[in-house]
Amino acid sequence: DIEMTQSPSTLSASVGDRVTITCRASQSISSWLAWYQQKPGKAPQLLIYKASTLESGVPLRFSGSGSGTEFTLTITNLQPDDFATYFCQHYNSYSLTFGGGTKVEIK
Amino acid sequence: QVQLVQSGGEVKKPGSSVKVSCRTSGGTLSGYIINWMRQAPGHGLEWMGGIITSFGRIDYAQKFEGRIRISADEDVRTVSMVVNSLRSEDTAVYYCARVRDPCRSVSCAMDVWGKGTTVTVSS
Repeated sequence: DIEMTQSPSTLSASVGDRVTITCRASQSISSWLAWYQQKPGKAPQLLIYKASTLESGVPLRFSGSGSGTEFTLTITNLQPDDFATYFCQHYNSYSLTFGGGTKVEIK
Repeated sequence: QVQLVQSGGEVKKPGSSVKVSCRTSGGTLSGYIINWMRQAPGHGLEWMGGIITSFGRIDYAQKFEGRIRISADEDVRTVSMVVNSLRSEDTAVYYCARVRDPCRSVSCAMDVWGKGTTVTVSS
């Protein structure tokens, strides 16, 4: 199975900051990567698919990039509503795997 | 906006089975691809398997093959997953989620999620 490694596991930031989360795949997954946001007690919400395509309704301060084995999620001008846990997910075969998550907390 | 409604929480004994269900707030799930994931307390997300309702194709994660069964009812109003031989490590929130169009396999991004079903396994 393809393994997805996220870093950092926790990130402390302030409102207005620019934050970057990295996701690495154990082998090439082309651009078959999604990013989700999850708040405590809630289901994940899709932010980005195909590595860089913003899901409808997601604020433009979220962006994704990368291909192959290395991907990033960037949040510019961090807002109070953005403090949450973020997961990457690969999907290039008849299986899918999530990264371990990155918790973005208030500094 | 499509919503996925999941069945209520369950408390089960080790060795028993649990069935968790997923339906839309209106209409049917026909034509949808539905995946099942779980999230143990304080842990990340784990894909368990999924069903392509149009073809009846079901894919299972290797880890769960033989221990879970995913199915859709005859009129495809409900998709269910049965987990057998429960152990304490199966205590988790179980989610169903819809694969985002225009994907044609279980291995895709998911754009609509149920709110989750908490399954607690305890003696």
